[in-house]
Amino acid sequence: DAGVIQSPRHEVTEMGQEVTLRCKPISGHNSLFWYRQTMMRGLELLIYFNNNVPIDDSGMPEDRFSAKMPNASFSTLKIQPSEPRDSAVYFCASTDGKTSVSPQHFGDGTRLSIL
Amino acid sequence: GDSVTQMEGPVTLSEEAFLTINCTYTATGYPSLFWYVQYPGEGLQLLLKATKADDKGSNKGFEATYRKETTSFHLEKGSVQVSDSAVYFCARGTSGTYKYIFGTGTRLKVLA
Repeated sequence: DAGVIQSPRHEVTEMGQEVTLRCKPISGHNSLFWYRQTMMRGLELLIYFNNNVPIDDSGMPEDRFSAKMPNASFSTLKIQPSEPRDSAVYFCASTDGKTSVSPQHFGDGTRLSIL
Repeated sequence: GDSVTQMEGPVTLSEEAFLTINCTYTATGYPSLFWYVQYPGEGLQLLLKATKADDKGSNKGFEATYRKETTSFHLEKGSVQVSDSAVYFCARGTSGTYKYIFGTGTRLKVLA
């Protein structure tokens, strides 16, 4: 079975540019999460969706960040304009939510470098 | 607020040594508890979980027991291998949502 698929795996761009990260959750999963991982701050939850609706976006750093989930099989995280401090690994995860202990399944992440 | 605290790393062990990575949590009620492992260049993978007090989760030789009295979920393995070198994350569920609260991660390095 296909896992969570993220693209691109690596992105290098100059500050000020728009960056779009993409995620395809596992088929049948109804909750999706975006995380950011850095050495300084560890793993941070940015936003999560349930049935394509944003439930909690309290972790989104600022207005430069936005996330969408137009359908059950696709989500994007956009940064506009990007800044060097946005450099991190961004993970997407999904869960089927069938029980309170359904595990989150992570993608391999997008390593983002803003020059 | 609710939190998960892990022991600071890195932890460096020789092959076949005994491993313990401490994890404690704060919570109201009895959250589900998880250990995830992250190998270099990859995302987090579920290693094991426990859903109620005294449950023992186990997988690939790793074990952790849900201790309500000490609010702990320590990860153990009797004999580590070089291939166990990774970052280990403790996490707890949150009531009424699908969110997890993750610890900061503990890096394990196993030397041959």
